[in-house]
Amino acid sequence: NAGVTQTPKFRVLKTGQSMTLLCAQDMNHEYMYWYRQDPGMGLRLIHYSVGEGTTAKGEVPDGYNVSRLKKQNFLLGLESAAPSQTSVYFCASSYGWGNTEAFFGQGTRLTVV
Amino acid sequence: GESVGLHLPTLSVQEGDNSIINCAYSNSASDYFIWYKQESGKGPQFIIDIRSNMDKRQGQRVTVLLNKTVKHLSLQIAATQPGDSAVYFCAENGGGAAVNKLTFGGGTRVLVKP
Repeated sequence: NAGVTQTPKFRVLKTGQSMTLLCAQDMNHEYMYWYRQDPGMGLRLIHYSVGEGTTAKGEVPDGYNVSRLKKQNFLLGLESAAPSQTSVYFCASSYGWGNTEAFFGQGTRLTVV
Repeated sequence: GESVGLHLPTLSVQEGDNSIINCAYSNSASDYFIWYKQESGKGPQFIIDIRSNMDKRQGQRVTVLLNKTVKHLSLQIAATQPGDSAVYFCAENGGGAAVNKLTFGGGTRVLVKP
C-alpha cells in the first residue's frame, strides 16, 4: 500500500515550458486535491476533484489545469510555466464527503527559471 | 476572503514539557477544524480534528480545544518529544458547499530542545 505517490519529485523548467505532474493513490479515495506550498507559508488549494471525471477550482487555480480521467489518478498541468509557479506541489486524497483526514504525497519541488 | 492564521511562527520547547500551538480562524461556517504536522521534506500528516459543535477532543498525547466565541483553536502536545519537532498547521474545511476544501493557516514551527 503506497498511499499517495507523486511524480516527479523534482523538476526545473524554463519560462514558457509546459509539464504535467502526476498523482496516484491506491486507497480508493473519492476526493483528490492539488496544493502548492511557498516558503514559510501554508498550503493553498489549486484544484480539487470529488470523483472521477470531475474537477473544481480552489483558491489559486490560474495558470493550472487538472484532469481526473481515472479515480486513482489526478493530473496537474502547467501550460506555460512562469517563475511565480516556483513552489512545492502537494497532492492529497481523502475518503469522502466531509472527510478531514487527507493523505498527502511527498511533494514535487518545481523551479521555473 | 476567509482565512485561517496563527499567532506564533516559532515555538521552542524543552523535551518533556507541554506544547501549546494557537490558531485563529475567521470562517464561522466551517464544519471541522484540523491539525496537521509536517516534518522537513515530507507532506503534511493528519493529527487530529474537531467538529464545530465540540469544544475539546483528545487523542494520543494531543488535545485540541475550540473556542467558537473568540474563533480560536489550539493544539496541546503533552510531554513533547524530539520527534514532535515539525511545522504544525491548523486547517478548516469550508462547510456547506465548500465542505471538501481545506484551507490551511501559515504554520508554526516547533523546536524541541533536549
